[in-house]
Amino acid sequence: DVKVTQSSRYLVKRTGEKVFLECVQDMDHENMFWYRQDPGLGLRLIYFSYDVKMKEKGDIPEGYSVSREKKERFSLILESASTNQTSMYLCASSFYRGSSSYNSPLHFGNGTRLTVT
Amino acid sequence: SQQGEEDPQALSIQEGENATMNCSYKTSINNLQWYRQNSGRGLVHLILIRSNEREKHSGRLRVTLDTSKKSSSLLITASRAADTASYFCATDRETSGSRLTFGEGTQLTVNP
Repeated sequence: DVKVTQSSRYLVKRTGEKVFLECVQDMDHENMFWYRQDPGLGLRLIYFSYDVKMKEKGDIPEGYSVSREKKERFSLILESASTNQTSMYLCASSFYRGSSSYNSPLHFGNGTRLTVT
Repeated sequence: SQQGEEDPQALSIQEGENATMNCSYKTSINNLQWYRQNSGRGLVHLILIRSNEREKHSGRLRVTLDTSKKSSSLLITASRAADTASYFCATDRETSGSRLTFGEGTQLTVNP
């Protein structure tokens, strides 16, 4: 089974801190994604990556950056955490299948619930 | 507004009954996927239906897709208490650069 592991289940940080959320997958997937999930807003895509050292902005990239130095690891960085970044963060990965890359399902980690005080 | 919108937002049924959830979307898609999320956990993929397919089955799950109405439905037959979860549809829009967009989900409660 594919395993997507997020380093922390719960995290509490102070406003202004730099926060790193780590995600590792063990199935050699090309694609990796970061979503945040908020009540009433569903899942929103922050950033995604199709390959090592490659990144693309999602729908809500402001206040975030990402790093993909190795294929199996995709990090989400909050440069200066703010209270409106309190949320559930979900990492996912999938196979790349040519032009139909989204015809492969996403495999999600269990999420990191981040609270910024 | 969301590309995929589920309806109803919440559904409560008795064990053994069928549960139907609907998803509507606005733009043309390559495929539509359904996911399930247990409380406090990540999402788990249930089923994918391509734009040229009309119906798909997987165990107690039946998914239909009507591209003319831009809608899909997920039917869970003979529901169990363990089916209690949130269910999300996600679309891969033709013009999105293959971004997967999720709806807000339907919270299903199956009462024993």
